[in-house]
Amino acid sequence: GAVVSQHPSRVICKSGTSVKIECRSLDFQATTMFWYRQFPKQSLMLMATSNEGSKATYEQGVEKDKFLINHASLTLSTLTVTSAHPEDSSFYICSASPADLTSGGLYNEQFFGPGTRLTVL
Amino acid sequence: GQNIDQPTEMTATEGAIVQINCTYQTSGFNGLFWYQQHAGEAPTFLSYNVLDGLEEKGRFSSFLSRSKGYSYLLLKELQMKDSASYLCAVYGAGKSTFGDGTTLTVKP
Repeated sequence: GAVVSQHPSRVICKSGTSVKIECRSLDFQATTMFWYRQFPKQSLMLMATSNEGSKATYEQGVEKDKFLINHASLTLSTLTVTSAHPEDSSFYICSASPADLTSGGLYNEQFFGPGTRLTVL
Repeated sequence: GQNIDQPTEMTATEGAIVQINCTYQTSGFNGLFWYQQHAGEAPTFLSYNVLDGLEEKGRFSSFLSRSKGYSYLLLKELQMKDSASYLCAVYGAGKSTFGDGTTLTVKP
């Protein structure tokens, strides 16, 4: 099956620093990648959707300048949390799909990465 | 907008059957996913329903009624390892919107 990796799996940083999280599709080309955030005992909240080579589409309430997303290739997307603060501490999960889901296609399965737990001190 | 409701918690006994319901009110419906998520891990895919009816896959089955905005996940022959959070997610307009999840506890 399709495999998606995330790096790092855990990161602890000081308030005010920036943290970059990588999401890679290992055995397929991911046209579309999604970034989610999950707080303890809550569900996944979609932060943004990105297609390779184009700007990410951010969900309402998600700051574009704080959460920088780059989907530069068909196998790699990065999320950079800039000037992180304790309230940004969360579980960040990416998912990847081989299809162009943003065009409203009927279906293609999303494959989730293992997640990155960010703790901002 | 999207509104997805599922029970917060459920408890069942090992070997029994449990049904987890999900109701939704959404715009742009293409299909409905069910995922399993163990604590501290990413979700894993269980099922995807596009058409009305029941789809069976081993111990897990999923049902969809589009006219009623209703789905359920049926788990048979429960095992201790089935203790997890079960997420209902509606796919439409190019993205998935997740419910808050149902935490299932399986007791011996």
